[in-house]
Amino acid sequence: GDSVTQMEGPVTLSEEACLTINCTYTATGYPSLFWYVQYPGEGLQLLLKATKADDKGSNKGFEATYRKETTSFHLEKGSVQVSDSAVYFCALTGGGNKLTFGTGTQLKVEL
Amino acid sequence: DAGVTQSPTHLIKTRGQQVTLRCSPKSGHDTVSWYQQALGQGPQFIFQYYEEEERQRGNFPDRFSGHQFPNYSSELNVNALLLGDSALYLCASSLVDSGRAPDTQYFGPGTRLTVL
Repeated sequence: GDSVTQMEGPVTLSEEACLTINCTYTATGYPSLFWYVQYPGEGLQLLLKATKADDKGSNKGFEATYRKETTSFHLEKGSVQVSDSAVYFCALTGGGNKLTFGTGTQLKVEL
Repeated sequence: DAGVTQSPTHLIKTRGQQVTLRCSPKSGHDTVSWYQQALGQGPQFIFQYYEEEERQRGNFPDRFSGHQFPNYSSELNVNALLLGDSALYLCASSLVDSGRAPDTQYFGPGTRLTVL
């Protein structure tokens, strides 16, 4: 079945540091790929998405590229802020629009 | 434009009881999916409703059931509650266009269920 593997957290960075959160997937067919973010005590917010190979999703300075050859969708940001502290989830949809999530990566950004 | 809303925000029940959670989808959306998120874990798909029918189901027992109403809102029912049912229950809505792939899912704030 479909699965998503993302790097373990927590990841602790200083403000303005570069961020990379690794995500790899296993799926049949051609899934759409997503990054969702969850702030403390809240639900999930869509951060970005990509629907086909080589697509780059981007939003709020974050970006991720759909790499079919390496089955990856790594999240990157050039300069993180304290307000980026949250849990980040990589996810995919296969058939039927069911979302399959990774276990989440907690990001802490310190001054 | 109203987003996805869920009620109640928090709920405390005891083992063996039954619970009903409610969800109103984002305006213009016709599909509702439910997910269970245990503490420190990613959300797990429970089931999805479209046109008032359960279209897809995850690996959850029959104690979990649902309903979708003509106005696209939905309920999640859990019978015979177990301690392990304690979790954040998330509702997500989307729009299914028969001519193309399903749209992105948008999540509500969730209902925190505690089973004592």
